[in-house]
Amino acid sequence: DAGVTQSPTHLIKTRGQQVTLRCSPKSGHDTVSWYQQALGQGPQFIFQYYEEEERQRGNFPDRFSGHQFPNYSSELNVNALLLGDSALYLCASSRGTGYEQYFGPGTRLTVT
Amino acid sequence: QKEVEQNSGPLSVPEGAIASLNCTYSDRGSQSFFWYRQYSGKSPELIMFIYSNGDKEDGRFTAQLNKASQYVSLLIRDSQPSDSATYLCALRRVNTGFQKLVFGTGTRLLVSP
Repeated sequence: DAGVTQSPTHLIKTRGQQVTLRCSPKSGHDTVSWYQQALGQGPQFIFQYYEEEERQRGNFPDRFSGHQFPNYSSELNVNALLLGDSALYLCASSRGTGYEQYFGPGTRLTVT
Repeated sequence: QKEVEQNSGPLSVPEGAIASLNCTYSDRGSQSFFWYRQYSGKSPELIMFIYSNGDKEDGRFTAQLNKASQYVSLLIRDSQPSDSATYLCALRRVNTGFQKLVFGTGTRLLVSP
């Protein structure tokens, strides 16, 4: 049973650039949530996708956008990168929007 | 006041002892509670969830929830050095039918041999 997968594992970008992170949910899961985790902090909710629509959004600027595909996989896009965007980006999948969430391995983004 | 509060630790316990990790929350509308374990440099791993007042046991782990006191805890019996990690408490609130997790900053647990 494949778990949640994310790519890439690590990424280094320069301020002002754009980045796309990818996530494939666990088999049987149809909902994907994205979180940002800064060093020493708990994960912060960015947004959640269900049925290819953004269903809920946290306190993140519009520079953060996403997409969900018909196969339930998802992308997180961040435009105009800032140094403060450096973090571990986590994707979590669940069966429906009301069930337990399981995290992927994360993508470590470094903005220089 | 933070929505979810945890003591950052570290909480140090000897091998074989019971580790008690605590979490308080401010929103009485919170419905479900989760404990995740996160090893350094890794992603969070779900270890327990609890929805109702009382205790829930799973192997060496027991989650305890007291909604009146807005308190949730995780007990780890027979602690092992491999339990050394950061333990994240999270809650889920219902918001128009779609639910997000709100995390605390985590408690670092150190189990010494």
